[in-house]
Amino acid sequence: DADVTQTPRNRITKTGKRIMLECSQTKGHDRMYWYRQDPGLGLRLIYYSFDVKDINKGEISDGYSVSRQAQAKFSLSLESAIPNQTALYFCATSDGPPGELFFGEGSRLTVL
Amino acid sequence: AQRVTQPEKLLSVFKGAPVELKCNYSYSGSPELFWYVQYSRQRLQLLLRHISRESIKGFTADLNKGETSFHLKKPFAQEEDSAMYYCALSGRLTGGGNKLTFGTGTQLKVEL
Repeated sequence: DADVTQTPRNRITKTGKRIMLECSQTKGHDRMYWYRQDPGLGLRLIYYSFDVKDINKGEISDGYSVSRQAQAKFSLSLESAIPNQTALYFCATSDGPPGELFFGEGSRLTVL
Repeated sequence: AQRVTQPEKLLSVFKGAPVELKCNYSYSGSPELFWYVQYSRQRLQLLLRHISRESIKGFTADLNKGETSFHLKKPFAQEEDSAMYYCALSGRLTGGGNKLTFGTGTQLKVEL
């Protein structure tokens, strides 16, 4: 089955470390997104990309960067992790009707 | 700016009782609204969209533009309905495409 895969699924790191979360998809979708989920805050958009050459900031991009290596791969980096970046991160893809996103299983990041 | 409000963090009902998960939105254009669901240990997935006016797993949601609401309803709750439910609004992004804004989510617990 076509899928959205995130790695790592869980990561514990220390303040100041550089972290990369990776997302790959076999759905053939052009659009990819990174969301962050925090209790009581729902999901908030960090970055999105409509194709390999198109990358855009979402509502909470500070402290994050992304790379779209190929249509199928979209990575999220924390250059210098801080504790308030502790959260569950979701990658999602879409191609077609607006609003229909296909999510990965999530990457739980803990910054100590 | 677009905003989605889900006033209840937790909704607990008994099996067989009616369910109503509230969602209100703020958007200057013509809204496209969705309900997403996240069952325990599963990824977030689309439940239904207002434009298709369908019933999925017994759930329905009607867009009320006058009250700017999109409440999710089910006449008789089942144990398997226990999950986290997110209301989402699709609005236009600068440069094209759509952005999905999520509410903070409501945890539905169906008790026996």
